[in-house]
Amino acid sequence: DAKTTQPTSMDCAEGRAANLPCNHSTISGNEYVYWYRQIHSQGPQYIIHGLKNNETNEMASLIITEDRKSSTLILPHATLRDTAVYYCIVQDSGSRLTFGEGTQLTVNP
Amino acid sequence: DAGVIQSPRHEVTEMGQEVTLRCKPISGHDYLFWYRQTMMRGLELLIYFNNNVPIDDSGMPEDRFSAKMPNASFSTLKIQPSEPRDSAVYFCASAQSLAKNIQYFGAGTRLSVL
Repeated sequence: DAKTTQPTSMDCAEGRAANLPCNHSTISGNEYVYWYRQIHSQGPQYIIHGLKNNETNEMASLIITEDRKSSTLILPHATLRDTAVYYCIVQDSGSRLTFGEGTQLTVNP
Repeated sequence: DAGVIQSPRHEVTEMGQEVTLRCKPISGHDYLFWYRQTMMRGLELLIYFNNNVPIDDSGMPEDRFSAKMPNASFSTLKIQPSEPRDSAVYFCASAQSLAKNIQYFGAGTRLSVL
């Protein structure tokens, strides 16, 4: 059974915030939420990860609900170069990453 | 650092031939991963190494696939003999530790077996 559920695709206008949701209702206490993205014809790229608290870095923000059953990746000002497949992964620290199908985000001019 | 370097970027070969894919991880990274990506199966982990030692090869599809890491700066994934169904993009990634699980991926090798 899949650990995460993501929408297949989303669209966003350039310059606007892109909010990518992820459901992980069966997450356990020691599992982290990781986000990677894959731009067409490139290897996946790490974005951000978190356990309980919200996290922010130079690329994005990660908002995790208090019950940890869902999270949202926020790209504050999406650009055309952010068009990619975004993967939400739930995994124990120290375990191999398992990539699902992800969300195809298309940023439109 | 130049990042994870894979070669070749593209490989076209005929069925039955031996194929060798190469990877140079980021210096100082103790973990190296080999993935395969196809439209049908998505991104799959084939094998990973810790300090040059194979830890988990449960994703290696069959005996035709083998991977080695003779030293900390080089790894190979070999397919012998190759088959058309091996056509895919093969990625190598490296990480400092599994505790953070931040993996850095190479650009991939696109393999076509005719």
